Amino acid sequence: EIVMTQSPDTLSVSPGERATLSCRASQSVSSNLAWYQQKPGQAPRLLIYGASTRATGIPARFSGSGSGTEFTLTISSLQSEDFAVYYCQQYSNWLRTFGQGTKVEIK
Amino acid sequence: QVQLQESGPGLVKPSETLSLTCTVSGGSISSYYWSWVRQSPGKGLEWIGYIYYSGSTNYNPSLKSRVTISVDTSKNQFSLRLSSVTAADTAVYFCARYYGSGSFLDYWGQGTVVTVSS
Repeated sequence: EIVMTQSPDTLSVSPGERATLSCRASQSVSSNLAWYQQKPGQAPRLLIYGASTRATGIPARFSGSGSGTEFTLTISSLQSEDFAVYYCQQYSNWLRTFGQGTKVEIK
Repeated sequence: QVQLQESGPGLVKPSETLSLTCTVSGGSISSYYWSWVRQSPGKGLEWIGYIYYSGSTNYNPSLKSRVTISVDTSKNQFSLRLSSVTAADTAVYFCARYYGSGSFLDYWGQGTVVTVSS
């Protein structure tokens, strides 16, 4: 099983500021990584796949980078609607695994 | 626009079997992989397993002995059965569609709460 570890657990950011979230894999997943956003009471929403490709309809302020074992999700200027929990997920191994999530909260 | 909707009992007794169905609308169930994911209260996401429209499956080893996922292409539905449930199986259960050959999840249902309690 590939273990996905996200950091930090909670990120406090002011609106308009930049947020940087990290995801580390216990072994290489190449670029087979996706990021999801989840708001309370809602299903996760796909943001990024292939480590850096934005899904349809996702604003350009969301960007992903990295490969192998180290990945980053950057939100360039946080909007009110971006405060949520973010999960990474690897799909390199048949046993798909998620990170534990990073909560982005208002500072 | 593809839409997924979970349905099934919201309350299941310990030791019984949890049964959920996901109905797909706005698109065909054929040619895709379909998945179940759950989220325990206040916790993260746990992948349960997936099924291809042809019927081939793959399950999380931690649940494999208790899980069955099946598909009914004539109804555009797929289903989850989880046997011998305990309180630890209390969660929100999501159904979702895999993009392409079972990679990432691009469409999700809204989720359904299942509580295991006597």
